[in-house]
Amino acid sequence: EAGVVQSPRYKIIEKKQPVAFWCNPISGHNTLYWYLQNLGQGPELLIRYENEEAVDDSQLPKDRFSAERLKGVDSTLKIQPAELGDSAVYLCASSLAGTGINHEQFFGPGTRLTVL
Amino acid sequence: GENVEQHPSTLSVQEGDSAVIKCTYSDSASNYFPWYKQELGKGPQLIIDIRSNVGEKKDQRIAVTLNKTAKHFSLHITETQPEDSAVYFCAANSGYALNFGKGTSLLVTP
Repeated sequence: EAGVVQSPRYKIIEKKQPVAFWCNPISGHNTLYWYLQNLGQGPELLIRYENEEAVDDSQLPKDRFSAERLKGVDSTLKIQPAELGDSAVYLCASSLAGTGINHEQFFGPGTRLTVL
Repeated sequence: GENVEQHPSTLSVQEGDSAVIKCTYSDSASNYFPWYKQELGKGPQLIIDIRSNVGEKKDQRIAVTLNKTAKHFSLHITETQPEDSAVYFCAANSGYALNFGKGTSLLVTP
């Protein structure tokens, strides 16, 4: 079974430029998460989708970040414009349903963003 | 919101020794506690988890214990091997979200 797929794996951009990350979750997983991981830190949730609905985006900086999951499968996370402080690893994860008592989250390899 | 504290931040053991990583959490409603292993350049990989209805779970060389009264849980790795070297993260759920500790960098020296 294929795991969570993310692309690109690495991205280097100059500040103020836009950038987009793509994620394809494990087949059949209804819940999709985007996390931010700064160097030496644990992942921090940005947004959670249940199918195509964003049910928790309280930690997403909406002035520059946006996300979509139009058909309830793959998802795109966008930053526009990027700032130096956005340099980090952006992780996508999926699970069968919202993480409750029964559903593990599986992570993709992440996209490492460097903003110059 | 949920606050997960993890200790130690770094841990060095000799091959064959045991390693223990400890975490505390603040949300008394948390009921799911996974542990992830992250190798360099890779995403976190779930290695074991425990739910609030049990106090201990074991999978070969890995075990996790949970004390809900004290709000802490621990990861135990026995007979460590060099390939166990990685960063380990604990997490606790707060509703449908997972809150992660800051990680423990484990080094197993031959």
